[in-house]
Amino acid sequence: GNSVTQMEGPVTLSEEAFLTINCTYTATGYPSLFWYVQYPGEGLQLLLKATKADDKGSNKGFEATYRKETTSFHLEKGSVQVSDSAVYFCALSDKYNFNKFYFGSGTKLNVKP
Amino acid sequence: EPEVTQTPSHQVTQMGQEVILRCVPISNHLYFYWYRQILGQKVEFLVSFYNNEISEKSEIFDDQFSVERPDGSNFTLKIRSTKLEDSAMYFCASRWGGEGYNEQFFGPGTRLTVL
Repeated sequence: GNSVTQMEGPVTLSEEAFLTINCTYTATGYPSLFWYVQYPGEGLQLLLKATKADDKGSNKGFEATYRKETTSFHLEKGSVQVSDSAVYFCALSDKYNFNKFYFGSGTKLNVKP
Repeated sequence: EPEVTQTPSHQVTQMGQEVILRCVPISNHLYFYWYRQILGQKVEFLVSFYNNEISEKSEIFDDQFSVERPDGSNFTLKIRSTKLEDSAMYFCASRWGGEGYNEQFFGPGTRLTVL
């Protein structure tokens, strides 16, 4: 079956630190992979996505590479800001069934000035 | 920018009562979804809805749950007789449905507390 595992939080970093949030997946077939972000009081917003192996999704300084050999989609950012404080969710959707997403449990990021 | 909206943001109810959670998907989207997140756990798929009928549902979505698109803009989730374990954040999502566009757009969620 399909599932997503991501590192537990909270993750606390100082401003300008390097961020990695690990995400690994189990899937039948070839899923699409996503990172969503939830800022306080807001909905889940798509941060970036990758639809096939070796694709790199990027947005707002965040990057993640679809690694089929390690079944991973780790989120990275070279220099975090206080405004990046949020909860980050890794998710996958089956390539042929877009009807549901499978989410990780979310990782809360706190960035201190 | 178009967005999915949900009301109310927080609903408190007594066990056994019926609740209706409301969502307004993005206007040209064709597929609609409900997810829930129990505190500290994963976001879980509940149901998908297309062309005025349920297209897929999870094992969580039992007879106590129902969904409806009563008009051209709203999409509702009804829980007929709430249980304590229904306390969770409920997210609505919508998707356009065009070829290659599998991104789902999510609302801010409704926090349901069952006492």
